[in-house]
Amino acid sequence: NAGVTQTPKFRILKIGQSMTLQCTQDMNHNYMYWYRQDPGMGLKLIYYSVGAGITDKGEVPNGYNVSRSTTEDFPLRLELAAPSQTSVYFCASRRVSGALDQPQHFGDGTRLSIL
Amino acid sequence: RKEVEQDPGPFNVPEGATVAFNCTYSNSASQSFFWYRQDCRKEPKLLMSVYSSGNEDGRFTAQLNRASQYISLLIRDSKLSDSATYLCVVLIRGGNTPLVFGKGTRLSVIA
Repeated sequence: NAGVTQTPKFRILKIGQSMTLQCTQDMNHNYMYWYRQDPGMGLKLIYYSVGAGITDKGEVPNGYNVSRSTTEDFPLRLELAAPSQTSVYFCASRRVSGALDQPQHFGDGTRLSIL
Repeated sequence: RKEVEQDPGPFNVPEGATVAFNCTYSNSASQSFFWYRQDCRKEPKLLMSVYSSGNEDGRFTAQLNRASQYISLLIRDSKLSDSATYLCVVLIRGGNTPLVFGKGTRLSVIA
């Protein structure tokens, strides 16, 4: 049972490069999220999606883009990497249906350094 | 007032001690609550879900006080392996950001 899978686990980018952080889940969850966590700080929501074809900005969306073409995949795109985007990125998903609120399940993160 | 507030700690306790953390929330429309633990530079892992007045799972007990708008986490008989950061998460139905994370409380259990 894979759960939420993120790739790559580590990456070093040069300033101005672009890359896509991959996230896929096999639990048929409709909601998916991207967070970043800077050292010693809390989680900050970048983008989220309530279903295929629907995405919404979170607290810190600038410099990022997302798409949700399938239920399973929710990639995060950095177009012009900047040192301020050095962080650990977590993808999460949850099932929203019925009366009981389900918790989020997290991937094990992508550690990204921009130099 | 922040939406979800936690004492950042650190709480340094000896093995076997009982320790409690509080999490206060500002939005009375908050519906459900979750406690996660996060080890250093790892992903958050679900510890407990709280939908009504509280929940208990082994050495861990969560209590919800809707009137005072806080939720607590009690850990009994602390183990070295309990050392982690504990995150409080609040779900507000209908809000723009449906899940709100606290910044976490750091616990160190000392031998």
